[in-house]
Amino acid sequence: GAGVSQSPSNKVTEKGKDVELRCDPISGHTALYWYRQSLGQGLEFLIYFQGNSAPDKSGLPSDRFSAERTGGSVSTLTIQRTQQEDSAVYLCASSLSRTGRNEQFFGPGTRLTVL
Amino acid sequence: QKEVEQNSGPLSVPEGAIASLNCTYSDRGSQSFFWYRQYSGKSPELIMSIYSNGDKEDGRFTAQLNKASQYVSLLIRDSQPSDSATYLCAVRSQGNLIFGKGTKLSVKP
Repeated sequence: GAGVSQSPSNKVTEKGKDVELRCDPISGHTALYWYRQSLGQGLEFLIYFQGNSAPDKSGLPSDRFSAERTGGSVSTLTIQRTQQEDSAVYLCASSLSRTGRNEQFFGPGTRLTVL
Repeated sequence: QKEVEQNSGPLSVPEGAIASLNCTYSDRGSQSFFWYRQYSGKSPELIMSIYSNGDKEDGRFTAQLNKASQYVSLLIRDSQPSDSATYLCAVRSQGNLIFGKGTKLSVKP
């Protein structure tokens, strides 16, 4: 079946502009996660959704970052007033649920470059 | 702060050898453990999951778990150049997956 999809695959923007990154999880997966991976660094957790609600926003680095999920499916991560330090690969993952043994499957990522 | 530690490498092994990748974790209550493979410029791909103490084999891959020692390992038998990648250990802790920074494996022909 179809895996997690993300768009765009690449985004180049100017400092100060807003960007929207989209994630479409595996059908039937209720849990959705956003991570960030900077060059040569590990995975940094940003936010988690169970259905349309986000009980864990602890990883969002600043109030410039926000995310929503609608219809228990597609999620959008928005970064306002982008800064050069926001440049990274943004990865989305989904799992059947957050509890138990459920495995997370990743999308291909969006590479964001802020000039 | 829950932590997952891995040797960053690079770990270099000759083709056909066994590659051994190790991971330790701090949350003694963790119950689910995963290995992801990440090729350069690509996203992480799940290759193994393990939940019980002992060994779990899948083809050339064997995951080993020792909860008492808080230690997880991944063995890759008959290593191939195509196995060259960064291997991420992930541990489920209070619902979240905590990732190690990964071990870079290089398999030399």
